[in-house]
Amino acid sequence: KAGVTQTPRYLIKTRGQQVTLSCSPISGHRSVSWYQQTPGQGLQFLFEYFSETQRNKGNFPGRFSGRQFSNSRSEMNVSTLELGDSALYLCASSPGLAGSFYNEQFFGPGTRLTVL
Amino acid sequence: KNEVEQSPQNLTAQEGEFITINCSYSVGISALHWLQQHPGGGIVSLFMLSSGKKKHGRLIATINIQEKHSSLHITASHPRDSAVYICAVGTSTTGNQFYFGTGTSLTVIP
Repeated sequence: KAGVTQTPRYLIKTRGQQVTLSCSPISGHRSVSWYQQTPGQGLQFLFEYFSETQRNKGNFPGRFSGRQFSNSRSEMNVSTLELGDSALYLCASSPGLAGSFYNEQFFGPGTRLTVL
Repeated sequence: KNEVEQSPQNLTAQEGEFITINCSYSVGISALHWLQQHPGGGIVSLFMLSSGKKKHGRLIATINIQEKHSSLHITASHPRDSAVYICAVGTSTTGNQFYFGTGTSLTVIP
């Protein structure tokens, strides 16, 4: 089976712009979770989608949003980019009906976003 | 306030040594995960556990729910074990959330 794929792998944006990141889960996986990793804050949970519905949400401002399509692919959007949004954005998929933290997570390689 | 604390932050070992990484948490958990991150960013899930002990090859993970503590052990360490090891907990007591430790950077010297 192919692993989790994320596109693009690298992205450079300027402050005030918006960005959309894409994640394709492992075939058959219905849950997709998004995470932000920065040197200062480490890994932080953004949100989880299951069957096109947001099931869990971390403590991020409304500028961070996401969606999931019927084929389980997911996108994450960040509007009005700030310098502090520079980070590695990881998505992970899991098969289970239970919440993401009840299941083994399969991580993608990440998208490294730089905001100038 | 850190919901998840890991120790040590950095660890250097000689090849073959037995290694222990500790994780303490302050919230009631649904499950605890151990993750491995290699340079370049890729993350692999090593274990998910909610009680007891799990073993996979040279890796062993234990959890004590009463003491809110988990350990990751690596037996007969090898240079390819060099990575950052991250403890993460899922909790539903403060809304469904995932909290991460800051990671333990392990270097195994041949």
